[in-house]
Amino acid sequence: AQTVTQSQPEMSVQEAETVTLSCTYDTSESDYYLFWYKQPPSRQMILVIRQEAYKQQNATENRFSVNFQKAAKSFSLKISDSQLGDAAMYFCAYRNTGANSKLTFGKGITLSVRP
Amino acid sequence: EPEVTQTPSHQVTQMGQEVILRCVPISNHLYFYWYRQILGQKVEFLVSFYNNEISEKSEIFDDQFSVERPDGSNFTLKIRSTKLEDSAMYFCASIQGQGTDTQYFGPGTRLTVL
Repeated sequence: AQTVTQSQPEMSVQEAETVTLSCTYDTSESDYYLFWYKQPPSRQMILVIRQEAYKQQNATENRFSVNFQKAAKSFSLKISDSQLGDAAMYFCAYRNTGANSKLTFGKGITLSVRP
Repeated sequence: EPEVTQTPSHQVTQMGQEVILRCVPISNHLYFYWYRQILGQKVEFLVSFYNNEISEKSEIFDDQFSVERPDGSNFTLKIRSTKLEDSAMYFCASIQGQGTDTQYFGPGTRLTVL
């Protein structure tokens, strides 16, 4: 079974600075998807960024980028120019490539942004 | 932009009562999911559904739970006899199909069992 580990329960960043959230996972599959979801206080799950394992290039979405290290099974999220609206819970998630495959989530990390 | 919707946003019920949580997935999506998040904990998979059948279910999804797609748009989760520990946020998600990777989540239903 796949597992996702987020070992840091909380992080804090100064507004406009950069922060990196860590995630590791375990799988025996060679192809899969990885995701970061943001959950603000409203508890809505919002997709931040996704990465396909067969792509070596790291995904980027505006201020959000990932550092995907397949051999190390590491998938960290970098948030540049942090904004107050980035404060939320962030979940790392894994999914096999099958169409009806489920998401497996990490425990999440609470990010606070200091003004 | 199409989105997954869920009703109600908050449901309060007495222990032992039946509840039905409703979801309307994105219209051209074929695969549907329910997830649960107990307050302060991680999001956990409950069940996946395709072609009017359960594809996979977790150990949480016991005989008290059932899912149904009663018509072409709704996807429901029923809990027959609620327990205190069923109090959680329940998320519905959907995905288009083969060759796509991203599950789109609804806003969730907060279930409180008293």
